[in-house]
Amino acid sequence: DAMVIQNPRYQVTQFGKPVTLSCSQTLNHNVMYWYQQKSSQAPKLLFHYYDKDFNNEADTPDNFQSRRPNTSFCFLDIRSPGLGDAAMYLCATSRDRSGGSDTQYFGPGTRLTVL
Amino acid sequence: DQQVKQNSPSLSVQEGRISILNCDYTNSMFDYFLWYKKYPAEGPTFLISISSIKDKNEDGRFTVFLNKSAKHLSLHIVPSQPGDSAVYFCATKKEGAQKLVFGQGTRLTINP
Repeated sequence: DAMVIQNPRYQVTQFGKPVTLSCSQTLNHNVMYWYQQKSSQAPKLLFHYYDKDFNNEADTPDNFQSRRPNTSFCFLDIRSPGLGDAAMYLCATSRDRSGGSDTQYFGPGTRLTVL
Repeated sequence: DQQVKQNSPSLSVQEGRISILNCDYTNSMFDYFLWYKKYPAEGPTFLISISSIKDKNEDGRFTVFLNKSAKHLSLHIVPSQPGDSAVYFCATKKEGAQKLVFGQGTRLTINP
């Protein structure tokens, strides 16, 4: 089945220690997104890629970066995780950027714990 | 400042009855309104959407209503089934934009 896969599902890191979260997709979608969801809050878009075109949200901290080496993979790098970065990180894909109700397909998420 | 709000963190409904989930938004420029459903340990999955030019969209047991003057969106599930127990997120987006703006979610529990 075509899907969005996130690894690992659970990640524990130490304060200040860089961490990378991984997302892959078999849907061959052009757009890949990273959302942050803190406990009992709404998922919040950090950034997205349309093909290789990177689009950062204005309020995404510099501590968060992303790489998309090819269509299938996208990585979220947190350079120096703080306690406030503990959250669920959701990867999503969509076929195109212009479709009004173009559906986004989500992975199961990676829960990040910062000690 | 939260643009999309789901004021009920949780809702409990008897099996077979109607479930009504509510969502309010502040920005009248949104063009599309969506509902996503999330089971534990899974990502959100798309359920149903509505364009701002409509006031109702129906798909089987699920109906979404849009009241633009009140900036209010609701999802009706009838009849409710135990498998509907999940967290429901409303989301909005503008035409041509990728960004989905989500509400905080409402946890729906269907009791047998």
